Amino acid sequence: RKEVEQDPGPFNVPEGATVAFNCTYSNSASQSFFWYRQDCRKEPKLLMSVYSSGNEDGRFTAQLNRASQYISLLIRDSKLSDSATYLCVVGSSGGYNKLIFGAGTRLAVHP
Amino acid sequence: GAVVSQHPSRVICKSGTSVKIECRSLDFQATTMFWYRQFPKQSLMLMATSNEGSKATYEQGVEKDKFLINHASLTLSTLTVTSAHPEDSSFYICSAPFLAGGQDTQYFGPGTRLTVL
Repeated sequence: RKEVEQDPGPFNVPEGATVAFNCTYSNSASQSFFWYRQDCRKEPKLLMSVYSSGNEDGRFTAQLNRASQYISLLIRDSKLSDSATYLCVVGSSGGYNKLIFGAGTRLAVHP
Repeated sequence: GAVVSQHPSRVICKSGTSVKIECRSLDFQATTMFWYRQFPKQSLMLMATSNEGSKATYEQGVEKDKFLINHASLTLSTLTVTSAHPEDSSFYICSAPFLAGGQDTQYFGPGTRLTVL
């Protein structure tokens, strides 16, 4: 079983749509959680941290359910520029030791 | 924000040659840096943790004699792929730890695309 699992997609959605990505992780001792965005042939860039209380940044909302070991990302009012691969990332322990990456979910937003 | 640079951005070399990749933290010091490798359509895989002033820590299955890591200063780590072969062709990315939103995370360099002929 992979440590971080994501639906690879692709998700093909029209502009303005709402899209949700899910992720599960296997290590219950994981301490930190993130969503990164990776454009084709580029490095990953931090999109947002994820907290149990849920957090929102503009059109993006992230949620963590520790009991279910489940992380989600909701994108509202999709833009063409949102097209990318979204990586679910889990920190394996306290501090900055080892980020475990999911394989990513591809999103394609079309006009 | 934090900036991590990598050089070169792209390398094409012949089989058997060695390739050196540099990773620099530009506006902060990093006693630890991380080296990842990403094959097409796969996730980033951690290769090793680079530690300033001490030996690197390699992940299981990564050959330390093939992937030489040197953390020469608080802002520079280098990865040398020795005797490169076509199967080493990949996207190599370094990162440095940073605090974001109260959580320790990592910022990534722009990556180095290595093609071994």
